[in-house]
Order: sequence, then C-alpha cells, then structure tokens
Amino acid sequence: GIQVEQSPPDLILQEGANSTLRCNFSDSVNNLQWFHQNPWGQLINLFYIPSGTKQNGRLSATTVATERYSLLYISSSQTTDSGVYFCAVRRVDYKLSFGAGTTVTVRA
Amino acid sequence: DAGITQSPRHKVTETGTPVTLRCHQTENHRYMYWYRQDPGHGLRLIHYSYGVKDTDKGEVSDGYSVSRSKTEDFLLTLESATSSQTSVYFCASMGQGGKSLPYEQYFGPGTRLTVT
Repeated sequence: GIQVEQSPPDLILQEGANSTLRCNFSDSVNNLQWFHQNPWGQLINLFYIPSGTKQNGRLSATTVATERYSLLYISSSQTTDSGVYFCAVRRVDYKLSFGAGTTVTVRA
Repeated sequence: DAGITQSPRHKVTETGTPVTLRCHQTENHRYMYWYRQDPGHGLRLIHYSYGVKDTDKGEVSDGYSVSRSKTEDFLLTLESATSSQTSVYFCASMGQGGKSLPYEQYFGPGTRLTVT
C-alpha cells in the first residue's frame, strides 16, 4: 500500500509561535486530508486538499501532488491547537492510508 | 461535519463475550469504515463497506465481523472479545451525499471499549 510519513513526530510550541507540519506520500493520490485529533479524542476535519492551497483562519495547507508532499501551517498558535495532526491519502480504491501523526503541544 | 453517531460511547465487557458496536450516519454516504486506535499504532482499518451488503476486510480484521443492511448503519461485532481488543473504535463515512465534499471522510466520536 501507499506509505505516508509525517514529520516531525512531536512539536512543542510557545503560544503565538508559527509552525509547519509535513506529510510525504509514496505514490500519486486521488485525495489528501488533514485531521486534528483534540485532547478529548475527537477527529476533526481540517482540510480536503488533493492539490493546491487552502486557508481556514490561522491554519492553511498546501499540497504539491507532483512532488508527493503536503504541508500544514499553523500560525499564531493557541493552546487549543494542541493535539495530534494526521495526514491521510487515498488512491483509486476508497480506503485511506494514514500517517503516524504529529503531536503538537502548545504551551501558554 | 457529517452526522455520524456511534453507540455505545463506552463499554466494559468480559473476555469471551460478544460485543456489537453501532455506527449510524445521516449523510447517505456510500462508504463506511471501522478503525481501531491504539497507542503507538495510529489508526488501523478493521473493515470497510462500499455499499449495502458489500464489505471487505482491512488490515486488522481477525476476530471482527461487520454487517451493513441499510445505507445508514454499519455494525462491528467482536465475536468473542479478548483483552487485545481493548481499544478506541472509530467509525467513518465517505461519499457524495449530503453536505460533504465528494470523497471526504468524516469520523464519528469514537467508542472506548475495555475487555477485562
């Protein structure tokens, strides 16, 4: 199956800092999604972004499909941004392959 | 977000008993999934469904079965629960129906299962 690698595995930020999370994938994909799992365990959709750039408030994402990577940017981080960020990709079937996640801790 | 509910949200059961977890979605999504999440393993696919009565195995399907008799419901059954099946179980759905974008996957709130 397709391999998905996320980096860094852990990230500690001071409130107000900016950060970039990366997702590399091993083959061409039909879909790429970013999720945030909050400290209560909920998995929340952030972006559906097979290519291009999207922004939602302080978060933005860019996928360069031809180079097989996606970036998630967090600007002016807040403590509510803490949690685990997952990248997931889909090929021609309808199953997603997930990365191992990046654990983000934002300190006040 | 898509309307996906799971029941029960928490369950404690004894080794050897059968357990059924229910997933219900209101988005008319064609595809539904069951995952388990364990520390150090991320999200792993147990089974998925690509239509009513159409299901297939994921990467960790041993000891689990599923059924889908209606578009909106996807049941996961642990035939004889073992301690190794203690986990958090997430249901998800994906499709072109409802408010979601085509082929965007949404998750339910999760079920925490403890097998003693």
